[in-house]
Amino acid sequence: GQNIDQPTEMTATEGAIVQINCTYQTSGFNGLFWYQQHAGEAPTFLSYNVLDGLEEKGRFSSFLSRSKGYSYLLLKELQMKDSASYLCAVMGNYGQNFVFGPGTRLSVLP
Amino acid sequence: DTGVSQDPRHKITKRGQNVTFRCDPISEHNRLYWYRQTLGQGPEFLTYFQNEAQLEKSRLLSDRFSAERPKGSFSTLEIQRTEQGDSAMYLCASSLGGSNNEQFFGPGTRLTVL
Repeated sequence: GQNIDQPTEMTATEGAIVQINCTYQTSGFNGLFWYQQHAGEAPTFLSYNVLDGLEEKGRFSSFLSRSKGYSYLLLKELQMKDSASYLCAVMGNYGQNFVFGPGTRLSVLP
Repeated sequence: DTGVSQDPRHKITKRGQNVTFRCDPISEHNRLYWYRQTLGQGPEFLTYFQNEAQLEKSRLLSDRFSAERPKGSFSTLEIQRTEQGDSAMYLCASSLGGSNNEQFFGPGTRLTVL
């Protein structure tokens, strides 16, 4: 089976740094993705990790540890527009199916 | 607009009716995915196409659901004998394939079954 866990909700202050964790248990692994989804909109791609380590992209960074089944998304210099749901997704072993986590709803407060 | 498009954006139907949704992927993308998403949850994988071949179908997908991608371009998702539990957002995504696995999502079709 496949299982992905993320915190349901997080709150942070404008200008701060926030880390959103994701743990996964999948029957195979071919990469981990982070997506951002604003309410009522489609998900948009943020990052992709397939090897262990940190990938940095502007204010967003994503980390992966395959041995621990763990990833995090780091958001720096938070802005109000970063208030959204952040989805962790794993590409599994069978074909190219994706399994999404439940998402973490981040609220950025002034 | 060169993104993924879906039609219709909203569909309201009565229980027991059949509905069909269409997805037009980004033109050079050979992989196409269908997902279902309910409020407060992440997208749930339904099925996946590589060109015109349907390579994977979720075990959660009942026999009332069928998807096609006849020419390897647009795809349709049909739900027969709709039930109230089918009410959800149906998302389509496409990706280039090969080593590029980034999925681009369409705006979704919101289905309401009364």
